[in-house]
Amino acid sequence: ETGVTQTPRHLVMGMTNKKSLKCEQHLGHNAMYWYKQSAKKPLELMFVYSLEERVENNSVPSRFSPECPNSSHLFLHLHTLQPEDSALYLCASSQVKWDSPLHFGNGTRLTVT
Amino acid sequence: KQEVTQIPAALSVPEGENLVLNCSFTDSAIYNLQWFRQDPGKGLTSLLLIQSSQREQTSGRLNASLDKSSGRSTLYIAASQPGDSATYLCAVTPFSGGYNKLIFGAGTRLAVHP
Repeated sequence: ETGVTQTPRHLVMGMTNKKSLKCEQHLGHNAMYWYKQSAKKPLELMFVYSLEERVENNSVPSRFSPECPNSSHLFLHLHTLQPEDSALYLCASSQVKWDSPLHFGNGTRLTVT
Repeated sequence: KQEVTQIPAALSVPEGENLVLNCSFTDSAIYNLQWFRQDPGKGLTSLLLIQSSQREQTSGRLNASLDKSSGRSTLYIAASQPGDSATYLCAVTPFSGGYNKLIFGAGTRLAVHP
């Protein structure tokens, strides 16, 4: 089992649906991240939670809503998405330390129809 | 604003070749630089991390160098194999507080054919 687990692996949703992405880490880390990877673009940092407090929100539209109930779990709640939101969403975790390596999950491939 | 650029965007080589992937960054105020590998549809696997005070790191057939003053890093892969086929991503950690805010390049897609 990998250290960072994301579910579901694939998700197809309509523009009016509400869904959630889940991330769980088993590494004892206390910082968690959401990244978006679109085709032929660099990974974009969306949100960072450090010690369960949101410390970074990179101008992400409000149709994306993160939740971090504890240091092991991270959610991304989705509602009224647009087709351009289709991408691979990657979760990562690390220690709360500037040089702590990030450990990534395998991502959720999201398609918005 | 920190920007990371990777050249080439794609590379196709025959098995056994030695190859070099390039990464450049615009702001030399970084803590470290990291190289990742990403297989299709998968997450990222960290390959090498070079601290800002270091010049290079080696792991098996991989060697990464860092020239912070010129804003450049290279990933050298010796004796390439078909199993090396993947996308290679370079990322830098800028100065920030308390957590690792990686900034990524768009990657180099490598294909090694038998």
